[in-house]
Amino acid sequence: NAGVTQTPKFQVLKTGQSMTLQCAQDMNHNSMYWYRQDPGMGLRLIYYSASEGTTDKGEVPNGYNVSRLNKREFSLRLESAAPSQTSVYFCASSPQTYEQYFGPGTRLTVT
Amino acid sequence: EDQVTQSPEALRLQEGESSSLNCSYTVSGLRGLFWYRQDPGKGPEFLFTLYSAGEEKEKERLKATLTKKESFLHITAPKPEDSATYLCAGRGNMLTFGGGTRLMVKP
Repeated sequence: NAGVTQTPKFQVLKTGQSMTLQCAQDMNHNSMYWYRQDPGMGLRLIYYSASEGTTDKGEVPNGYNVSRLNKREFSLRLESAAPSQTSVYFCASSPQTYEQYFGPGTRLTVT
Repeated sequence: EDQVTQSPEALRLQEGESSSLNCSYTVSGLRGLFWYRQDPGKGPEFLFTLYSAGEEKEKERLKATLTKKESFLHITAPKPEDSATYLCAGRGNMLTFGGGTRLMVKP
């Protein structure tokens, strides 16, 4: 039981490049989330998916898109990366009792 | 707007010196108050959920309590391995996180 897995662990992009962050969970959870964590800002919700086939914006969705590929997988796409998107990105999943289980994170630097 | 505030931002303790971390919240229709532990370079690890005022949960040296406005994470006789950042979060429509308390326990 791997829990929540994320790939890649580290990534460096140049301004304007695109990339997709991958997330998968094996706990049969309905809900999945993408957060970013920045010093002094805490964890902020980018997008979430309450169930397979649905996605909704969170607090900071600008510059991002998501796809809930199936119940296990939820990807985050940066279409044209900007230095302001330098951050640590966490994926999480939750059962109906709301506690969230987090992946190990992706450390993204945009130069 | 939901808000969660943690204090202090950083706390240094000697091994064995008990203390408490505070989490003040204003969350509309609270559906749970959550505590997480985060080690450097890792994702947050779920510790506790509290649902109603007066509720308490314990795990080893940690005990979480909840009132109508605050939650406390009590650490009894901490050890160096308890050093981490502790996050609390309140669930209304979504989960709102506080900024965390960085705990350092010296031997």
